[in-house]
Order: sequence, then C-alpha cells, then structure tokens
Amino acid sequence: IVMTQTPLSSPVTLGQPASISCRSSQSLVHSDGNTYLSWLQQRPGQPPRLLIYKISNRFSGVPDRFSGSGAGTDFTLKISRVEAEDVGVYYCMQGTQSYAFGQGTKLEIK
Amino acid sequence: EVQLVQSGAEVKKPEDSVKISCKGSGYKFTSYWIGWVRQMPGKGLEWMGTIYPGDSDTRYSPSFQGQVTFSADKSITTAYLQWSSLKASDTAMYYCARLAGYCSAGICYPEYYFDYWGQGTLVTVSS
Repeated sequence: IVMTQTPLSSPVTLGQPASISCRSSQSLVHSDGNTYLSWLQQRPGQPPRLLIYKISNRFSGVPDRFSGSGAGTDFTLKISRVEAEDVGVYYCMQGTQSYAFGQGTKLEIK
Repeated sequence: EVQLVQSGAEVKKPEDSVKISCKGSGYKFTSYWIGWVRQMPGKGLEWMGTIYPGDSDTRYSPSFQGQVTFSADKSITTAYLQWSSLKASDTAMYYCARLAGYCSAGICYPEYYFDYWGQGTLVTVSS
C-alpha cells in the first residue's frame, strides 16, 4: 500500500487552521473491522509522536485542536488553530497491510 | 509510564558490525510487538520490521530482509537491532516504537499503530 500526502509543505499563519490530506492506494479497512490509519507529529530534532489513531481517536495528551477524519482511502488531519509548537513534519501511517508511512508534510509558520 | 529508551549514538566504519538496543519499561514487555523505523538524514520514516518479545516472532520489511536482524531479551525487557556488515548507506536515525494493543481475559491483541516511541539512535557509518 502506498500512502500519498498533500501538500508536502504548508505555510500557515498562527491562529489559523491547517489541513493535511492522506490518500492510500488501497482501502485501509482491516479484516477486524478497524481502519488502521494514524497520524504522527515529528517536531524538529525530536522522535515521532502519536497524535491520532484509527482515523479519529486522539492519543493521550494530544490537544483537542487536532482532529482526524476520513474513511476507506481518503483521510484528513486538521489543526483548528495553529500554534507555534505545532511546527514540524506530520506523517500519516497505515497498519492495515504491513506498515507504510506517507512522505511527510512540513508545517511551518508564515 | 510507558518508556522506550534506546542506546547511544554509534560511529562505525564500513563492514563493521553493530547492535543497538531499546529497553521497554512501564508495561508488560512480552505482550506488545516492537517495531523498528529508519529515518535517513533529511528524509521520511521507513518501517523496517517488528518483533514480538514474547516468543521472538519477527516480521521484516522486504526492503530490510537479510540486511538486519531483530532480537529480544525478555529477562531485561530489551529489543535489539543489529547489522553484521554496515554500509555507508546505513547512516540514519533508528527508532524503536511499541505497537499498540489491548489485553482482555489475559490475552493481548495488537492494534496496528505505534503508540510509544524511543528517542532514537543515530548510526553513522563512515570510513
């Protein structure tokens, strides 16, 4: 399965929303009924951190300005109001058939 | 608190061998898969494979099969990634990460996303 993210770079004004899309080459619905699409954030110089799992579930400690949506092959990560600490690279990842990451989307402040 | 703590940076020459580690704590180490992820300089994340410390069952990405070896020592809750003959192209940051899961009635089931990550181990291969 190939994961394709758009855009690859996203300049955003502080306090404004941001949106990242992720498309998979095949449906991500697993045989157990779950859709294993997750979103990770990697701040500069830091390891990746889980934000969202199974499309729309926020991981422990993740601010509610982050939300995930989608189904099948098309998914979206939204940040309702971008803060300075959100700068970094965002990856989608599928775990339905083996594992694969998107190319990453760099979020930067205008 | 779940933690994965990786070993320190390595600087090696081509054809050297190296073994890096990932120590898990704060959870039942033998019940959760551990994955390894490569990040080459300035690049994205690549899944290398996973190991189940409970019985050392391993799954390798085709891109890494035969190039690396995973292992685990349950007695010290540590997973390992090793190379027998490094190449310059192995220069990268390597992360271990725990595959999520849940336990019910004493049986644990995986969920296919990585919930906790180590801090990374930088491996530099240069002559």
